[in-house]
This record gives sequence, C-alpha cells and structure tokens, in this order.
Amino acid sequence: DIQMTQSPSSLSASVGDRITITCRASESISTYLKWFQQKPGKAPRLLIYAASTLQSGVPSRFRGSGSGTDFTLTISSLQPEDFATYHCHQSYGHPVTFGQGTKVEIK
Amino acid sequence: QVQLVQSGAEVKKPGSSVKVSCKVSGGTFSTEGIAWVRQAPGQGLEWMGGIVPLFVKANYARKFQDRVTITADERTTTAFMELSRLRLEDTGVYFCARTDNSGWFSPEDDWGQGTLVTVSS
Repeated sequence: DIQMTQSPSSLSASVGDRITITCRASESISTYLKWFQQKPGKAPRLLIYAASTLQSGVPSRFRGSGSGTDFTLTISSLQPEDFATYHCHQSYGHPVTFGQGTKVEIK
Repeated sequence: QVQLVQSGAEVKKPGSSVKVSCKVSGGTFSTEGIAWVRQAPGQGLEWMGGIVPLFVKANYARKFQDRVTITADERTTTAFMELSRLRLEDTGVYFCARTDNSGWFSPEDDWGQGTLVTVSS
C-alpha cells in the first residue's frame, strides 16, 4: 500500500498567517493527490484535486502544489473558518490511502 | 445536487455485525461509485472499499476484505456497508462518499453525514 505521511501533525497559527502543510508519498503518485478539509463532527470537504486544481467554490487563498512524492498545501492568509484538520489522499493506486491528518489550531 | 443521507448511530456487541445505509438522491446512482471511509476516534481517514452499483462487484481494502460487504440497491438508490465480527477497535464514524472516475473509488466532494458505530461489551 502507498503510505502518505503528513507534517506537521498539528500546528498553531494566527488569523492572517501563511501556513504550509506537507504530504509525502512512499512512492511516486504523479499528481493523483487530493486535499480535504474536515471540521469537528463533519464530513470531509474536497479542497484540491490533481495536486493543484481548486475545487469549485474553494477560496483562492488555498493552493496545492507538487508531483511525484512531495506535495504541499498552502493557505496564504489564514481565516477563522480555516481552523480544521487537513487530510491528503492518493488515488494513484489500490487501495487509495490518506495521510494521518494535520490539525490547524488557533494560536 | 447530490445528497447522501446515512442511517443512524448504532451500538453493537463485540462479535456481532452492523449494516449502515447510504441513501443517494440526485446524480446517476447506477454508474457512479460509492466509497466507504472509516474514522476512528481522534484518528485519520481509512478507506474500506467501494462499489459501482451497475457492476455489482465491490472492491475492498485488504485489511477489511474478510469482514466487510458493500452492496447497492438500484431500486432504492441506497448503498450499504456491512461489517461483521465487530471488535472494540471498529468503533468510529463511517462515511459514504461519491467517488471519481479513477477506477480506484477515490472520494470526491459529496459525502454522507457519517454514522457513529460504537462497539462495546
């Protein structure tokens, strides 16, 4: 199975900060990478697919990049509604797998 | 607009089975994939398997394949996930989600609200 490793596991930041979350795959997955946002008690929400394509309705402060094994999710200016857990996910091979999640908390 | 509505919370004994439903409204149920994803308390997301209703045959993660059965009823546009021989560590929230066309049942942006399954003696 392809292992997805996110870092950091959690981070504290302030409104307006720029933050970056990284996701590393255990083998090359081309750009078959999605990012999901999840708030407590809610289902995940798709933010980015194909590593860098913004899902419809997602604010432009979210940016995804990378290919192969290394990927990043950047939020350019953190807003109060962005405090959540972020999951990366590979759909390159079976079984599809997720990272362990990165919790973004208010400093 | 596609909506997925799951059945309610369940409390089960170890060794028993649970069957969770996912009613899909909108879209084209028969030809669109449905995946099941589990989230243990305080943990990440774990893909369990998926199905395209028209093709009947489901695809499972190796970890679950001897205990999980995913089915779909085209008449009621409802997908089901049954997990047998429940263990305490099966406690968690189970989500259904529509999938993309990658062939690997990768979730997209339409998810059910989640069903809490508690396994307790």
